[in-house]
Amino acid sequence: EAQVTQNPRYLITVTGKKLTVTCSQNMNHEYMSWYRQDPGLGLRQIYYSMNVEVTDKGDVPEGYKVSRKEKRNFPLILESPSPNQTSLYFCASSSRLALEQYFGPGTRLTVT
Amino acid sequence: AQSVTQLGSHVSVSEGALVLLRCNYSSSVPPYLFWYVQYPNQGLQLLLKYTSAATLVKGINGFEAEFKKSETSFHLTKPSAHMSDAAEYFCAVSDAGGTSYGKLTFGQGTILTVHP
Repeated sequence: EAQVTQNPRYLITVTGKKLTVTCSQNMNHEYMSWYRQDPGLGLRQIYYSMNVEVTDKGDVPEGYKVSRKEKRNFPLILESPSPNQTSLYFCASSSRLALEQYFGPGTRLTVT
Repeated sequence: AQSVTQLGSHVSVSEGALVLLRCNYSSSVPPYLFWYVQYPNQGLQLLLKYTSAATLVKGINGFEAEFKKSETSFHLTKPSAHMSDAAEYFCAVSDAGGTSYGKLTFGQGTILTVHP
């Protein structure tokens, strides 16, 4: 089954404790992206990757890091989480042929 | 820069009534336009997309949208609402034909409530 998976689905952590949210897709897509969803703001892009070892900032990259060492994986790293990073996070992937993005199930992060 | 405006953060309709969710976009290049639906505690699912072919686009679950360049709009409609349509709907624009390949810019979302 074609899918984008994220782990964990729910995470509660404390300020300053480094964390990683994993994302993996099995569709051989070149393009992967991270979004955060906040009430009244829709989804905003954090980082994206056009292919292996090619990443770039989206609209709200502050406080986040990413890496793309393999085509299928695109982890999101919060090295020192803060309460304003409490949000719902989505990973997505797409190919140039497909155009639309396929979304993972989301990770709900709470930073206290 | 691209932007999307969804008019109305909440829309409420009766079961069987017409659903109309409004979306206006701004794009400096010919846009690709999408509607996604998000059911409670789930990810986003593609409803339909416009990619410069037919201006009237049909999607899943009886939804359709019409691209109107002169009005920079891409409103989503469904003739008869069903209780199962209750969800949050997002309009999004992409300049997949430009340099920022694949990036989606989303509207703020519209929560659709369907009452009996």
